[in-house]
Amino acid sequence: AQTIHQWPVAEIKAVGSPLSLGCTIKGKSSPNLYWYWQATGGTLQQLFYSITVGQVESVVQLNLSASRPKDDQFILSTEKLLLSHSGFYLCAWSLDWGGRGQNTLYFGAGTRLSVL
Amino acid sequence: GDSVTQTEGPVTVSESESLIINCTYSATSIAYPNLFWYVRYPGEGLQLLLKVITAGQKGSSRGFEATYNKETTSFHLQKASVQESDSAVYYCALGGGGRALIFGTGTTVSVSP
Repeated sequence: AQTIHQWPVAEIKAVGSPLSLGCTIKGKSSPNLYWYWQATGGTLQQLFYSITVGQVESVVQLNLSASRPKDDQFILSTEKLLLSHSGFYLCAWSLDWGGRGQNTLYFGAGTRLSVL
Repeated sequence: GDSVTQTEGPVTVSESESLIINCTYSATSIAYPNLFWYVRYPGEGLQLLLKVITAGQKGSSRGFEATYNKETTSFHLQKASVQESDSAVYYCALGGGGRALIFGTGTTVSVSP
């Protein structure tokens, strides 16, 4: 069975500090991977997607970056956090051919980020 | 543009009562939209509850049902008799046409014993 693990579960960070969030998928080779973000009271928005190792496409510009260093790993990061980065970050994977995840997505438990 | 609008929460219902969460969509750039309901239980990740890809069809899971109505552009989620374990956040989503899934804002449902 496939499992998706996100870390950390929650973070409290200062404005201007760096951030790194991670996601690992086990039990599925070459999945399509996604980062989603939800601001408090807002909708879930796709930030990035990756179809293969080393390739990441940006969907929404939020002064964040993403990388896929391994087939089963997806990293979200920034060197300088903004207050507007606060929210809930979700990693997801899918099997569909497209990079946009328009079909069934399988999500991790998420990371709650508070920027102060 | 493409968008999803759903019942604003929080919604509180008593156990064994019925529940309906309204969802309407706009899919101006997607010829054949796929419609989804996702759910997030406390402490867990977002998971697919049900999915319907053909207009006029009904999806069902865990006692929940939703019918894809192209005429009214709706995909309401219903359950005849809820349980305390149905307390969660429910998201309606629209997909298709090679675009990212578009989610509604989520509806928090609390079921009281």
